[in-house]
Amino acid sequence: EAAVTQSPRSKVAVTGGKVTLSCHQTNNHDYMYWYRQDTGHGLRLIHYSYVADSTEKGDIPDGYKASRPSQENFSLILELASLSQTAVYFCASSEWTGGSANTGQLYFGEGSKLTVL
Amino acid sequence: SQLAEENSWALSVHEGESVTVNCSYKTSITALQWYRQKSGKGPAQLILIRSNEREKRNGRLRATLDTSSQSSSLSITATRCEDTAVYFCATGNYKYVFGAGTRLKVIA
Repeated sequence: EAAVTQSPRSKVAVTGGKVTLSCHQTNNHDYMYWYRQDTGHGLRLIHYSYVADSTEKGDIPDGYKASRPSQENFSLILELASLSQTAVYFCASSEWTGGSANTGQLYFGEGSKLTVL
Repeated sequence: SQLAEENSWALSVHEGESVTVNCSYKTSITALQWYRQKSGKGPAQLILIRSNEREKRNGRLRATLDTSSQSSSLSITATRCEDTAVYFCATGNYKYVFGAGTRLKVIA
């Protein structure tokens, strides 16, 4: 069974503070993702990475940075947390099945609930 | 931009009944995936259906794909209380886009 673990699982931060959410996968997958989920809404892609030391912007990257120091680890960084960043954050990993017909399944972590006050 | 979206916000059925969740998407795809998210958990894949497939089954689950109308459906037969969850469709080659999800409640 694929394993993606996130830490912390829950965090309360103050406005303007720095927050780092960490993700670790043991799947040996190339791709890793950070998604944001707001109450009652779907998942929106913030950043993703397909190789260590490289990250790419997703659909809503503003206010977020990402870091992929190794294949196994992928962090999401909020340098100046804001109220609007209160949400549940999900990390996921995916295998690259190759070519233009990639069909890699996403394996998600349990989520990190962030509350910014 | 929302490239994939489910067509119903919420559904409720009684245990044992069948239910169908529909999804529409806006771009050409190589595959479409259905995910289920239970309360407090991360989404988990249910079915992947490729663009050259019309139907895919996984136990009580059946997914269909109509590339001409850019739509897909996920049917669940003999529903159980544990099927209560949010169901998402997702498209994309490596940059996956999720719909807003359909909240399914199965009533005992």
